[in-house]
Amino acid sequence: GAGVSQTPSNKVTEKGKYVELRCDPISGHTALYWYRQSLGQGPEFLIYFQGTGAADDSGLPNDRFFAVRPEGSVSTLKIQRTERGDSAVYLCASSLGTSGRAGEQFFGPGTRLTVL
Amino acid sequence: GEDVEQSLFLSVREGDSSVINCTYTDSSSTYLYWYKQEPGAGLQLLTYIFSNMDMKQDQRLTVLLNKKDKHLSLRIADTQTGDSAIYFCAESPNAGNNRKLIWGLGTSLAVNP
Repeated sequence: GAGVSQTPSNKVTEKGKYVELRCDPISGHTALYWYRQSLGQGPEFLIYFQGTGAADDSGLPNDRFFAVRPEGSVSTLKIQRTERGDSAVYLCASSLGTSGRAGEQFFGPGTRLTVL
Repeated sequence: GEDVEQSLFLSVREGDSSVINCTYTDSSSTYLYWYKQEPGAGLQLLTYIFSNMDMKQDQRLTVLLNKKDKHLSLRIADTQTGDSAIYFCAESPNAGNNRKLIWGLGTSLAVNP
């Protein structure tokens, strides 16, 4: 079956531009997570969706970052006025649920964002 | 606060056992995970342990949890060159239904033939 997919795989943009990163979770997975991973670092939590609602957005660095999941499936991470420090690999993960084995997160391949 | 620490590098000979160590700080964490990341590939869950367990074995992998010391280890028996990768320890703090993961920096395992 299809795993988590993310598009684009690579995105190069200029400082100050707006970008959108897309995540297609595994069909039927209710929970969706965004993380970002800078070079040489572990992933850093950004936001968690349960269904359509953002249940925890405490990891978003500032108000330039926003994410939506309008129909409880596909999610889009939006970054306004990009800065060079936003350059990282943005990872999306989904899980069937949140209890026991159902809470296991499956990761997509990531989108590598480079801000020039 | 939430913090996960790992040693950054480990080098072993093929056929030997590898032991990767991790310490975490959130005593409320209910799940602790080991993920593998190979170059150009996504994060792959290797195994996890529930906080009321102290050991879990899965084929060549053995996870030991010392909850008192907040110490987690991953032992890989008969390490192969294909095991060369970055291994991340992650904890899931007790946050209701939110199973967000807090990650270490990763341990880069090099397996020498």
